[in-house]
Amino acid sequence: DSGVTQTPKHLITATGQRVTLRCSPRSGDLSVYWYQQSLDQGLQFLIQYYNGEERAKGNILERFSAQQFPDLHSELNLSSLELGDSALYFCASSVQAGDVINEQFFGPGTRLTVL
Amino acid sequence: ILNVEQSPQSLHVQEGDSTNFTCSFPSSNFYALHWYRWETAKSPEALFVMTLNGDEKKKGRISATLNTKEGYSYLYIKGSQPEDSATYLCAHFSGGSNYKLTFGKGTLLTVNP
Repeated sequence: DSGVTQTPKHLITATGQRVTLRCSPRSGDLSVYWYQQSLDQGLQFLIQYYNGEERAKGNILERFSAQQFPDLHSELNLSSLELGDSALYFCASSVQAGDVINEQFFGPGTRLTVL
Repeated sequence: ILNVEQSPQSLHVQEGDSTNFTCSFPSSNFYALHWYRWETAKSPEALFVMTLNGDEKKKGRISATLNTKEGYSYLYIKGSQPEDSATYLCAHFSGGSNYKLTFGKGTLLTVNP
C-alpha cells in the first residue's frame, strides 16, 4: 500500500458525460501527478500540481482539467467523454516540487469505461 | 533517439538466471530517469531515481546504471526469482523544472521456476 488513495475504483459512464476522479496523496506529499494508461499506450503523463498550483503539463486534453485543494487532495475532471477516454487513470504523489528527482508513489488507479 | 524506448519488449528467463534490459532516451536536456516495477493488477512501484551521468544504484539483487551522454540506462537483475516477474518501466524527464516526462512502454519479465 503506497498511501495514495484514489476513488472511485471503477467508473462506467456514457459518451458526452462528465466525471470527476479523486486522489489523496500520501501524508506529507505536496505534489500530485495524474497519468492515463490506455490499452495500446504506455503511461501518459497528464499534469502535475504542487501545493495547490499547476507545476507541469503533459499530454492533457483541453476537455480535461485538474485542481489541487488546500488539503492537498486533487481531482481530475474529464468532460465531453469519448469512447477513447476509456483508460486506467493513476494518481501519484511525491514529497516536494523540484521533485523530478524524487520517487513517485502511485495510487491503485481508477478504471474509467465510457460506453 | 527521439523517443523513450525500452528493449526487449519481453523476456523469459529461468529462476536463477541474471538478466538485463535497456532504456534508451534522447541525450539532450536530460534531467532525470526513474525506474519502476509494475506487477500485474498492481500500481507502479519506484525502484530507482537517477540524475547524474555515471550513476549506479542498487537495491538488493537489482541494480541500474545511467549514461546521459549516450542516452541509455541499464537495469540488471541478478539471480532472477519468480517474484521478479513484472513489467519494468523507465520514465525520462527532460528540460529542467518545466519538464517533459515520457514513459517507455516497458519490458515484461517472466521468471519461470
